[in-house]
Amino acid sequence: QQQVKQSPQSLIVQKGGISIINCAYENTAFDYFPWYQQFPGKGPALLIAIRPDVSEKKEGRFTISFNKSAKQFSLHIMDSQPGDSATYFCAAIRDNNAGNMLTFGGGTRLMVKP
Amino acid sequence: DTGVSQDPRHKITKRGQNVTFRCDPISEHNRLYWYRQTLGQGPEFLTYFQNEAQLEKSRLLSDRFSAERPKGSFSTLEIQRTEQGDSAMYLCASSLFLRGNEQFFGPGTRLTVL
Repeated sequence: QQQVKQSPQSLIVQKGGISIINCAYENTAFDYFPWYQQFPGKGPALLIAIRPDVSEKKEGRFTISFNKSAKQFSLHIMDSQPGDSATYFCAAIRDNNAGNMLTFGGGTRLMVKP
Repeated sequence: DTGVSQDPRHKITKRGQNVTFRCDPISEHNRLYWYRQTLGQGPEFLTYFQNEAQLEKSRLLSDRFSAERPKGSFSTLEIQRTEQGDSAMYLCASSLFLRGNEQFFGPGTRLTVL
């Protein structure tokens, strides 16, 4: 059962462009939505996260937009750089301290062309 | 570097053999998680510990899998009678008890079963 669906599977963006990755979730009990960045041979690294009580969160060139009614959220990478080339995973979690198991999307492989 | 370390980084074994992986979490983190990531997919939750207690196990964790965290510090994941379908990246993550939504991942152990 795929509780978090992510698209696109791959994305090619020119340097300086905007990368947009979308996710949709099913379980309304999820209440914390992190994004992870993973480089080849490395573990996922927490990039930015949002709670459903806000519609947008920005950290540097990275912005999460959240639509609670549609159960969708997205990651925007502004001024994309070749160093941003990596696989990005959205995730969702029930932040109730009872378990905190992350449910991940399938991933988006981003390539930023110089 | 997130501070979570895993050993070995790579393991090649023959079908039917037993393997054991080790994870050392960030020192002050009392929660430790194991995830499995197959090629091109997002990580999937396997199990988690709070201190030395194993509190939840996924249906993915068959009887051939066992995890321990004997003194609430490092953890081991053992797979008995390995199968080709066990080939994957095994990721360990850790978090503080009150910050279970912020999980920090190690570099993973890539298992190849021939």
